[in-house]
Amino acid sequence: DAKTTQPTSMDCAEGRAANLPCNHSTISGNEYVYWYRQIHSQGPQYIIHGLKNNETNEMASLIITEDRKSSTLILPHATLRDTAVYYCIVRVGPNTGNQFYFGTGTSLTVIP
Amino acid sequence: DAEITQSPRHKITETGRQVTLACHQTWNHNNMFWYRQDLGHGLRLIHYSYGVQDTNKGEVSDGYSVSRSNTEDLPLTLESAASSQTSVYFCASSLDSSSYNEQFFGPGTRLTVL
Repeated sequence: DAKTTQPTSMDCAEGRAANLPCNHSTISGNEYVYWYRQIHSQGPQYIIHGLKNNETNEMASLIITEDRKSSTLILPHATLRDTAVYYCIVRVGPNTGNQFYFGTGTSLTVIP
Repeated sequence: DAEITQSPRHKITETGRQVTLACHQTWNHNNMFWYRQDLGHGLRLIHYSYGVQDTNKGEVSDGYSVSRSNTEDLPLTLESAASSQTSVYFCASSLDSSSYNEQFFGPGTRLTVL
């Protein structure tokens, strides 16, 4: 079974905020939520991660619900260069080190 | 600057040949990973290593092997290449097993098995 559930695709107007949802209803208490993105033909790129609290960095904000069963990645002012596949990931099991389970992600298209 | 590199970037081989894909990182990271990426499947973990002489099987390890003789390198070997192994392969590394450590990915190797 998938560890996370994301919409297959989304569109966003350039300059607007892109809100990418993710469901992770089976997340364990000590598992972090990570977001990566993959621009066409490149290796995945780390964006942000969090455990319980909302997080913000220079790229994005991460909002995690209080029950931790879902989260939202926010790109505050989307640009054409943000067109990519976005992966929401939780660690696979507390005793398996730093393994990541990548689903199929959300393909975000930023429209001019 | 520290980095993670993969070679070759593109490879065409024939069914039954042995193929080795190289991965080299200069961050002195303990953990290294190999993924493959196919349309409709996202990235799937092949093998991973938590340190020198340590290797572990991932989700899709059949037909692949790895060895870790030093910290910097984790070569991926296809013992007898099959057409089903045509894919894009990504190597990644992370500092250690702490839950908050991000993975850094290489640029990928596109392998075609004819």
